[in-house]
Amino acid sequence: QKEVEQNSGPLSVPEGAIASLNCTYSDRGSQSFFWYRQYSGKSPELIMFIYSNGDKEDGRFTAQLNKASQYVSLLIRDSQPSDSATYLCAVQGAGSYQLTFGKGTKLSVIP
Amino acid sequence: NAGVTQTPKFQVLKTGQSMTLQCAQDMNHNSMYWYRQDPGMGLRLIYYSASEGTTDKGEVPNGYNVSRLNKREFSLRLESAAPSQTSVYFCASSEDRANSPLHFGNGTRLTVT
Repeated sequence: QKEVEQNSGPLSVPEGAIASLNCTYSDRGSQSFFWYRQYSGKSPELIMFIYSNGDKEDGRFTAQLNKASQYVSLLIRDSQPSDSATYLCAVQGAGSYQLTFGKGTKLSVIP
Repeated sequence: NAGVTQTPKFQVLKTGQSMTLQCAQDMNHNSMYWYRQDPGMGLRLIYYSASEGTTDKGEVPNGYNVSRLNKREFSLRLESAAPSQTSVYFCASSEDRANSPLHFGNGTRLTVT
């Protein structure tokens, strides 16, 4: 059973701070890693994905991947109240297009 | 560009009733999926279809059936609804390649009383 673990939170950060969201996965053969944002009552929307070790930046968002530690993270710089949402980590296994999701981390950005 | 369209948005059923959730995508994707999302449980895969005419079970298939009617449409049927099937259901589609993200519909909120 492939597992994706996230701290459920809530994670509270002040406006303007860096929010750090973490995710670990059990399948060492996993190849691609996705971060989705989900506002309450809405569907998940893709923020970014990463498949190589290291950092990938997109605006205020940075995804970090460490395959040796089976760890992926999402950093949100200059956090805004509009970033308050649940963040889902999803992992794509080797030889499969399916995604396995973590249970999500709820982020609250305090003005 | 509509993306992934799900109907209905909301539904209330009595135990034992049946219904079909409809999903259509206009992105020419081969792969389509049905997930359910419950508080504290995250998104769990019910069924998926890698191509027209094929379907496979996911993590929680019991109590559900699916039909991949054509490349665009993938429906989910509850033959005899149970309170345990109260959930939010999401349809999604993706391309058949590594690094391909899922594109989600807006969801169906189902309550079974």
